[in-house]
Amino acid sequence: DADVTQTPRNRITKTGKRIMLECSQTKGHDRMYWYRQDPGLGLRLIYYSFDVKDINKGEISDGYSVSRQAQAKFSLSLESAIPNQTALYFCATSDFRTGLTDTQYFGPGTRLTVL
Amino acid sequence: KQEVTQIPAALSVPEGENLVLNCSFTDSAIYNLQWFRQDPGKGLTSLLLIQSSQREQTSGRLNASLDKSSGRSTLYIAASQPGDSATYLCAVQTSGSRLTFGEGTQLTVNP
Repeated sequence: DADVTQTPRNRITKTGKRIMLECSQTKGHDRMYWYRQDPGLGLRLIYYSFDVKDINKGEISDGYSVSRQAQAKFSLSLESAIPNQTALYFCATSDFRTGLTDTQYFGPGTRLTVL
Repeated sequence: KQEVTQIPAALSVPEGENLVLNCSFTDSAIYNLQWFRQDPGKGLTSLLLIQSSQREQTSGRLNASLDKSSGRSTLYIAASQPGDSATYLCAVQTSGSRLTFGEGTQLTVNP
């Protein structure tokens, strides 16, 4: 089984709908991240969480919210989806207990299309 | 603001060729630099991580170098194979575990 899973893998929705993307991990890591990937723009950080009680905005948090329900679960919500939120979304985890140089492990991604 | 640039954007080579992918970053205050591989429909796989105090890391046919003072890293792939075809992403880690990614180099290795 994959260490970092994302659901759904693909989603098509309409403008104005509320969407939730979920991420679960079995690696026991304390840190979790949400990125989006757009063609020609690379991956950009949306939100990150260092533990259940710690949530931080990333580079492009506007229009998004997150919830860290447990150490293993980190969900991303689009309260009112808009077409320019069409992108590939990745969840990642890392273990800060290993030190400052923590490798991030990525899920398989969720392809979201907003019509 | 940290910016990461990867050159070239795309590269096509015949099987067996040695090749170099380039990555540059604007702020040398980094904790580490990581190279990832991305296959279509899949997530990112970490290939190599070079700590800021290191000059290079090797894994099999892959060798990554880091020159922090000049803001440059290279990923060297020896004896390329069709299975190496993928997009290669460079990312630098700054404070708070934040990664800043380049746009990637799309590599095609032709049989």
